[in-house]
Amino acid sequence: DTAVSQTPKYLVTQMGNDKSIKCEQNLGHDTMYWYKQDSKKFLKIMFSYNNKELIINETVPNRFSPKSPDKAHLNLHINSLELGDSAVYFCASSQDTTGGRSSYNEQFFGPGTRLTVL
Amino acid sequence: QKEVEQNSGPLSVPEGAIASLNCTYSDRGSQSFFWYRQYSGKSPELIMSIYSNGDKEDGRFTAQLNKASQYVSLLIRDSQPSDSATYLCAVFMFSGGYNKLIFGAGTRLAVHP
Repeated sequence: DTAVSQTPKYLVTQMGNDKSIKCEQNLGHDTMYWYKQDSKKFLKIMFSYNNKELIINETVPNRFSPKSPDKAHLNLHINSLELGDSAVYFCASSQDTTGGRSSYNEQFFGPGTRLTVL
Repeated sequence: QKEVEQNSGPLSVPEGAIASLNCTYSDRGSQSFFWYRQYSGKSPELIMSIYSNGDKEDGRFTAQLNKASQYVSLLIRDSQPSDSATYLCAVFMFSGGYNKLIFGAGTRLAVHP
């Protein structure tokens, strides 16, 4: 059974289009994340939801809008796609995000969605 | 200063040797530290977590944490070609108003037969 799944795996689209990426986790975790990994392989957090509530919203263009219909799902919608949006987007989940010494902070990643904007 | 720093590599070691990967971090208050392995074209995979000073061993992997010096390392004993990957150090820290996982840029490890 896949723990964290994402669809689609690959997404090729034209500049200016709107697209969505979906994520689901079956680990029973309360917290889900979206990360972006650019061409230099640097992994950076974009958003985090805890029990459907937005808790982290990094400096990301407002063309990116996350939505969490329930705590097992976190989707990412991107409007007016630009060339610079090309990257791999990873969804991840953890039991919690309490800080401190806790295995609750261990994050597990989905397989990624490679977005190419032409 | 970057929040989590790693040498980008590549670190090249012969099969059977010990690979040593290092990471330093900026936030003295951090308490949770993780090592992820990422094969080319794949997602990061959690291989070790460490929360207390000292060593933590799991099979061929040993994570070492020194909070006073603000560094965490990963040793891979009896390195195999299948260990060739990028290793990401990640530190859970308070940054920019949130508790979040900050990743280093990764060290590429190449194990040659």
